[in-house]
Amino acid sequence: ETVMTQSPATLSVSPGERATLSCRASQSVGSNLAWYQHKPGQGPRLLIHGASTRATGIPARFSGSGSGIEFTLTIGSLQSEDFAVYYCQQYNNWPTFGQGTKVEIK
Amino acid sequence: QVQVVQSGAELKKPGSSVQVSCKVSGGTFNDYGINWVRQAPGQGLQWLGRVIPLSGTTHYPQRFQGRVTVSADKSTTTAYMELNSLTSEDTAVYYCALKALYWRPDYFDYWGQGTLVAVS
Repeated sequence: ETVMTQSPATLSVSPGERATLSCRASQSVGSNLAWYQHKPGQGPRLLIHGASTRATGIPARFSGSGSGIEFTLTIGSLQSEDFAVYYCQQYNNWPTFGQGTKVEIK
Repeated sequence: QVQVVQSGAELKKPGSSVQVSCKVSGGTFNDYGINWVRQAPGQGLQWLGRVIPLSGTTHYPQRFQGRVTVSADKSTTTAYMELNSLTSEDTAVYYCALKALYWRPDYFDYWGQGTLVAVS
């Protein structure tokens, strides 16, 4: 099983600032990496797939990068609706998720 | 527009079983890969398995093999997840997660609202 490790666990950011979230895989997953946004009471929302391709309707302030074992999700200028938990997920083999990074208001 | 609506919360006794349903409307049901993912309190997301409605093919991770059964009814465009031999560690919110095209890689385009299963 590929273990996904996200850091930091919590990120405190002021609205309008940039947020950078990290995700590391225990073995190479190529570019088979997705990012999701999760808010309480809802199902997760797909943001990024293929490590860097934005899903349909996702604003350009969300960008993904990386390949192999190291990946980054960058939120360019945080809006109020962006405060949530973010998960990475690899799909190079059976899907596994990271433990999540909570982005909270500073 | 694809909508994914799950069944309501369940309270179960240890050792019993639970079945959660996932009604899909919009799109082409036979094109989907329907997955189940859970989130225990304070934990991350965990994949439980998937079904391809077109063929009925199922896949499970080893840790849940034999305890989870996923299925799909094409006539009602509804998917099901059954989990047996429940323990308190199965207390979690269970999500139905759709892959838009079953032959595509395993990232999930549409999610249900989640179903709380409490075991006590």
